[in-house]
Amino acid sequence: EAAVTQSPRNKVAVTGGKVTLSCNQTNNHNNMYWYRQDTGHGLRLIHYSYGAGSTEKGDIPDGYKASRPSQENFSLILELATPSQTSVYFCASGDGWGGSYEQYFGPGTRLTVL
Amino acid sequence: GQQVQQSPASLVLQEGENAELQCNFSSTATQLQWFYQSPGGSLVSLLSNPSGTKHTGRLTSTTVTKERRSSLHISSSQTTDSGTYLCRANYNVLYFGSGTKLTVEP
Repeated sequence: EAAVTQSPRNKVAVTGGKVTLSCNQTNNHNNMYWYRQDTGHGLRLIHYSYGAGSTEKGDIPDGYKASRPSQENFSLILELATPSQTSVYFCASGDGWGGSYEQYFGPGTRLTVL
Repeated sequence: GQQVQQSPASLVLQEGENAELQCNFSSTATQLQWFYQSPGGSLVSLLSNPSGTKHTGRLTSTTVTKERRSSLHISSSQTTDSGTYLCRANYNVLYFGSGTKLTVEP
């Protein structure tokens, strides 16, 4: 069974603080993604990666950095957290073949910035 | 994202009724896929349907690429089908729609 885990599952941070969200996958997928989900917006792509050492900007990268130190791990970093970054964050790994592209999602991290 | 629009935003059914969910996308999209998000938040892939009609269990998806639309039909809905259904399209970057929140009442 494909597995994507995230830590922490819940986080309360203060404005201006640094927050690191971690993601680990055991699927051996090259591609990994960070999304945030807010009411009415579905999933919005923040950063993604094609493999170790690679990070790419998604739709809404401002205020976020990403790090992919290995095939298995992909982190999302908020250097200076703001209340507007309060959201639920999902990590995913993915791979494609033929006309399909499968993504496997982690359980999500609920971040509250006070 | 703007590139994927879903309708309706919400839908309430009685158990046993059928549901029809819509997804519209731009002409350059590929690899249409439907996902289910449980009320608890977990996300799973339902089926991939870049074109034509695909079935799995009580789910049928029809994608008409020329008309830039995909539908998800849920037959004989059950209370356990309640949740949010998300459509995803690949524009070299993967975009999700805002979802359809389905509530199936007993």
